[in-house]
Amino acid sequence: DAGITQSPRYKITETGRQVTLMCHQTWSHSYMFWYRQDLGHGLRLIYYSAAADITDKGEVPDGYVVSRSKTENFPLTLESATRSQTSVYFCASTRGGGGQFFGPGTRLTVL
Amino acid sequence: TQLLEQSPQFLSIQEGENLTVYCNSSSVFSSLQWYRQEPGEGPVLLVTVVTGGEVKKLKRLTFQFGDARKDSSLHITAAQPGDTGLYLCEGGSEKLVFGKGTKLTVNP
Repeated sequence: DAGITQSPRYKITETGRQVTLMCHQTWSHSYMFWYRQDLGHGLRLIYYSAAADITDKGEVPDGYVVSRSKTENFPLTLESATRSQTSVYFCASTRGGGGQFFGPGTRLTVL
Repeated sequence: TQLLEQSPQFLSIQEGENLTVYCNSSSVFSSLQWYRQEPGEGPVLLVTVVTGGEVKKLKRLTFQFGDARKDSSLHITAAQPGDTGLYLCEGGSEKLVFGKGTKLTVNP
């Protein structure tokens, strides 16, 4: 399917477990982003990538790891999940300027 | 860090009414985007504005970029229940940031 997809859509895990959220886009956009969205905080940037093998921290990177070996994929890993990482996570992409295209989101609950 | 202030935070109106929501910053934007997000979904890009004073129309939605490129407004004419959602602005110069949004409810 064309566009940007995220998996899983819903995930429940326990404190201390490692979790990986997947993001895949078919447009060959250079830029990809990970956000978390929480009530009262809006969308906050976790990490972004300008191209394959180039990543940089956003506003709230602690506790997260990213990689980008291929242009189309940008996985986000929570190394040791904490309750404060319960959130809705959005992946987005853009070719550069002019707005971002968002995936449908992953709702993560950490017990 | 550039901050985007959106107002009002919440807005509840009746079908058929007009409304305007705002996005303001103390700094100049190089570009500004508006998105609509419906519950359980990701934000969807509505428009990009880049030129001071620019006005763009998308059916019943009118987007305006301030002359000084520090503010923007979104006006909806004859709102419909399908316009319900969270309206987000995004902008910046070196780094792009999002406002916290205006949550709009249009009651039938």
